[in-house]
Amino acid sequence: EVQVLQSGGGLVQPGGSLTLSCAASGFTFIGYAMNWVRQAPGKGLEWVSFIDSSGHNTYYADSVKGRFTISRDNSKNTLYLQMNSLRVEDTALYYCARDLCGGRHCTGGTCYCTTTYYAMDVWGQGTTVTVSS
Amino acid sequence: QSALTQPASVSGSPGQSITISCTGTSSDVGGYNYVSWYQHRPGNAPKFLIYEVTNRPSGVSYRFSGSKSGNTASLTISGLQAEDEADYYCSSYTSTSTLVFGGGTKLTVL
Repeated sequence: EVQVLQSGGGLVQPGGSLTLSCAASGFTFIGYAMNWVRQAPGKGLEWVSFIDSSGHNTYYADSVKGRFTISRDNSKNTLYLQMNSLRVEDTALYYCARDLCGGRHCTGGTCYCTTTYYAMDVWGQGTTVTVSS
Repeated sequence: QSALTQPASVSGSPGQSITISCTGTSSDVGGYNYVSWYQHRPGNAPKFLIYEVTNRPSGVSYRFSGSKSGNTASLTISGLQAEDEADYYCSSYTSTSTLVFGGGTKLTVL
């Protein structure tokens, strides 16, 4: 079964740090780009960050740029979101989501996603981050 | 990165069709055909419905369809069913290499 399992949420004080993890299974993780999306209480979905399948290219929403770092360990099939200088407004349910791949390039037995549809086809169950003193 | 504009709520009776609009700018919805739609029921992960404005992934009901005209994309749900009651979000790629979601639309099936 294709799925992503999230962990790492919790309560943290303003200015603190937290790392979220997202473990992939049922698909070839290295072949897909990944995203983080969040939903603050009572609010809509907000895209947070994107990382390509190789891990070389990353993008961030202005609201988290310079404070959050997305990364991946393809040997462990795991996606991460390192969150620093956390603010009360970062309180949200955080989802990891697989990017829909439109095309791949294979080299040395490894296939990377080279074309994205900028859409998210597999979502995790979400993990809660609460920033409060 | 202003959120795309969606109506806060729409409603319809079983069997009817409804349309949810998603308005952006030429820097997002109007400039790219990378509009996608998601269904989100409280307590569940969002469900992927539409990509590239009109494409429906396998497993998604034919009752869901997407379109775009200028800076506005739309999701139409035909043959409304009680199970369609949920929040719906559009998303678009932007000129700054980011993604932006709409504010979400709550669909009520009367």
